[in-house]
Amino acid sequence: EAGVAQSPRYKIIEKRQSVAFWCNPISGHATLYWYQQILGQGPKLLIQFQNNGVVDDSQLPKDRFSAERLKGVDSTLKIQPAKLEDSAVYLCASSLSETQYFGPGTRLLVL
Amino acid sequence: AQRVTQPEKLLSVFKGAPVELKCNYSYSGSPELFWYVQYSRQRLQLLLRHISRESIKGFTADLNKGETSFRLKKPFAQEEDSAMYYCALSGRGYGNKLVFGAGTILRVKS
Repeated sequence: EAGVAQSPRYKIIEKRQSVAFWCNPISGHATLYWYQQILGQGPKLLIQFQNNGVVDDSQLPKDRFSAERLKGVDSTLKIQPAKLEDSAVYLCASSLSETQYFGPGTRLLVL
Repeated sequence: AQRVTQPEKLLSVFKGAPVELKCNYSYSGSPELFWYVQYSRQRLQLLLRHISRESIKGFTADLNKGETSFRLKKPFAQEEDSAMYYCALSGRGYGNKLVFGAGTILRVKS
């Protein structure tokens, strides 16, 4: 089966600019997750969707981050405006039950 | 609050030596624990769940609720085991949300 797809793979922007990441989960997976992984740390959940509804966004910095999952399939994560500390790998994962399947990630560098 | 600690940033062993990766967790209820692995240039993937009690690629996981520890073990390390290993916790009722440790790099030397 095809895995979780993410784009772009790399992005370099300047602080205060905006950026968007896209995720296509494994077909049929109702649950979709966005994680932020800062260098030297483990992934940290930003937001979790069940179909097109938000289950958990308690760690999403809502003043600058937003995410949506229209139609319960693809998802986009946006940062506006970006800060230096947003430099990280953004991972998307999807699941049907307990096991989460991860995408390759988008590496963001904010200068 | 859920918390996962991996005390070793790097574990270096010789090929054929035993491997034991440590993980400590903090959770008030009955957690589900996982080991995820990321090989060089590959995606993060599930290696083991404590509840499955199985052996994958020669690895087993040992949960000690009294010590709140979850160890990953392999009796004889192979060079292809070199990777980053993450311990993760999911609490019941948290919608399968995972809390990850910072990871341990396992380096198997020939």
